[in-house]
Amino acid sequence: GAVVSQHPSRVICKSGTSVKIECRSLDFQATTMFWYRQFPKKSLMLMATSNEGSKATYEQGVEKDKFLINHASLTLSTLTVTSAHPEDSSFYICSAVPDDSYEQYFGPGTRLTVT
Amino acid sequence: QKEVEQNSGPLSVPEGAIASLNCTYSDRGSQSFFWYRQYSGKSPELIMSIYSNGDKEDGRFTAQLNKASQYVSLLIRDSQPSDSATYLCAVYPSGGSYIPTFGRGTSLIVHP
Repeated sequence: GAVVSQHPSRVICKSGTSVKIECRSLDFQATTMFWYRQFPKKSLMLMATSNEGSKATYEQGVEKDKFLINHASLTLSTLTVTSAHPEDSSFYICSAVPDDSYEQYFGPGTRLTVT
Repeated sequence: QKEVEQNSGPLSVPEGAIASLNCTYSDRGSQSFFWYRQYSGKSPELIMSIYSNGDKEDGRFTAQLNKASQYVSLLIRDSQPSDSATYLCAVYPSGGSYIPTFGRGTSLIVHP
């Protein structure tokens, strides 16, 4: 159990375009999901906390207008990178927390390359 | 600021040995602790959770928690080359926050 999927797994886009990443909890409900970014050989960096039915909470330094988060249901959160630039190229990972637990389950990640 | 500290390593152990990974945390009121394994280029996967002082065993893995000393450790018995990865410690702060703090991770290398 406790499977989280993420789509797409890999995406290449041109500078200036927008990219949407989906995160789904497949076998549990998750009021809370998290979005992380990780650069090569660096630690996880929390970008935002996504809560179903309410606005996401962004970490300091993360532009909410650039990284749009929508948590439309108890099993789906989306991250849209708007007007992507090469410096947005990174490994984006979501995680979901079952409603009756503290354990985070991570999606497989999305590798974004902006050319 | 709540901090979670881990030695970045790399920690190198021979195959079959016990690997000991340590994590200290600053928030004395923390109650929930987790260990994740992250292979290079992959996302983290949950290995174990521990909430009470003492040891918790799951297969070759043993998590140890000492709240008085504010440390949590992970022991891997009979280490295998496939255990080579970065191990992340995560701690939920006190006060009911649902946002855990991750350590920077310890790189483990198990050599044949």
